[in-house]
Amino acid sequence: AQKVTQAQTEISVVEKEDVTLDCVYETRDTTYYLFWYKQPPSGELVFLIRRNSFDEQNEISGRYSWNFQKSTSSFNFTITASQVVDSAVYFCAFGHYSSASKIIFGSGTRLSIRP
Amino acid sequence: DADVTQTPRNRITKTGKRIMLECSQTKGHDRMYWYRQDPGLGLRLIYYSFDVKDINKGEISDGYSVSRQAQAKFSLSLESAIPNQTALYFCATSDSGRTGGGEKLFFGSGTQLSVL
Repeated sequence: AQKVTQAQTEISVVEKEDVTLDCVYETRDTTYYLFWYKQPPSGELVFLIRRNSFDEQNEISGRYSWNFQKSTSSFNFTITASQVVDSAVYFCAFGHYSSASKIIFGSGTRLSIRP
Repeated sequence: DADVTQTPRNRITKTGKRIMLECSQTKGHDRMYWYRQDPGLGLRLIYYSFDVKDINKGEISDGYSVSRQAQAKFSLSLESAIPNQTALYFCATSDSGRTGGGEKLFFGSGTQLSVL
């Protein structure tokens, strides 16, 4: 069965520090999707990124970057020069290639950025 | 206005009561989902619907039921609420137009339910 592990329950850093959120997944599928969602204090989950298993290229979007390594079954998320507005709970998720009904979420990492 | 609207935002009820959480969307998506979020457990899928006539159980459907009244409306009912159903409930939608899965989910703001 698929499983998504976010071992870091809570992380607290000072503003402008870089921070990496870890995500490790387990699957026997050869094709699949990985996601990151952000849940700010307002509560609503917001999609950040989707990556399919065929594409192991790292992605950068502004201060955010994602490192997908199939060999270690990891999909880590790095925030560079963190800001207070980055404070949120971040969820990593796994999706079966053929059906969105089976998106499995990790338990989330609560990130606090201190001014 | 929000694309995915959940009502109510907060609800306190007593054990044994029947309650309904409602979700409506203006995104025109055909697929709708109900998740619950518990601290330390992430989000778990309760029910999902791929169209008005298609309802499916998720991983934790016991004690819940759903109704897809229209493409835009998907309600979740707790037939007889119990305290361990206290949680944050999210409705989500996705568009099946994208083939091969990997659909992005769009979430409502959530309903905080407390069962006393």
